[in-house]
Amino acid sequence: EVQLVESGGGLVKPGGSLRLSCAASGFTFSSYSMNWVRQAPGKGLEWVSSISSSSSYIYYADSVKGRFTISRDNAKNSLYLQMNSLRAEDTAVYYCARDFGRDWGQGTLVTVSS
Amino acid sequence: DIQMTQSPSSLSASVGDRVTITCRASQGISNYLAWFQQKPGKAPKSLIYAASSLQSGVPSKFSGSGSGTDFTLTISSLQPEDFATYYCQQYNSYPLTFGQGTKVEIK
Repeated sequence: EVQLVESGGGLVKPGGSLRLSCAASGFTFSSYSMNWVRQAPGKGLEWVSSISSSSSYIYYADSVKGRFTISRDNAKNSLYLQMNSLRAEDTAVYYCARDFGRDWGQGTLVTVSS
Repeated sequence: DIQMTQSPSSLSASVGDRVTITCRASQGISNYLAWFQQKPGKAPKSLIYAASSLQSGVPSKFSGSGSGTDFTLTISSLQPEDFATYYCQQYNSYPLTFGQGTKVEIK
């Protein structure tokens, strides 16, 4: 059974940093691209970032470019999102997703507020 | 960026109804189109990929069609568990983009 479990969310002040993790199991993690997708309260889905299976290709939404960094550790079956210079508009549930959304984690809530 | 426009934004339907949701891309995306279902407080669930391929374990009452710029998701006979919000997403090119969602409510 495929499992994706996010962690690392919480309350952070504007300008602060947070690192999200996504632990994967039930599939060959190193064979798949991975993504972060977020959903602000009461809003739709917004793609944040993608990373290819070997980390050769990385993409970011313009809204997070230069502030967020996606990475992965295939030996640990883990995906990460380093979030710096956080803003109120980054408040959302952050999901990790396999491939182009084949499987999703349960999400972790990030709240940016003073 | 490719804009994805869903219609309608919401609809009311009865159990047993046939429901169709439309998704239009601002430029051609071949068949690189996925559909997701999301219930309140839950993660999205994949229904359809490659415009018309049913994800494993998804009931056959869901079907997708289209290519290029115009796509549809059809639910053949709406059941209580199908009341949710549905999103389309293009994965033809980055940035990946979602439609704004279609909320299916009980009439």
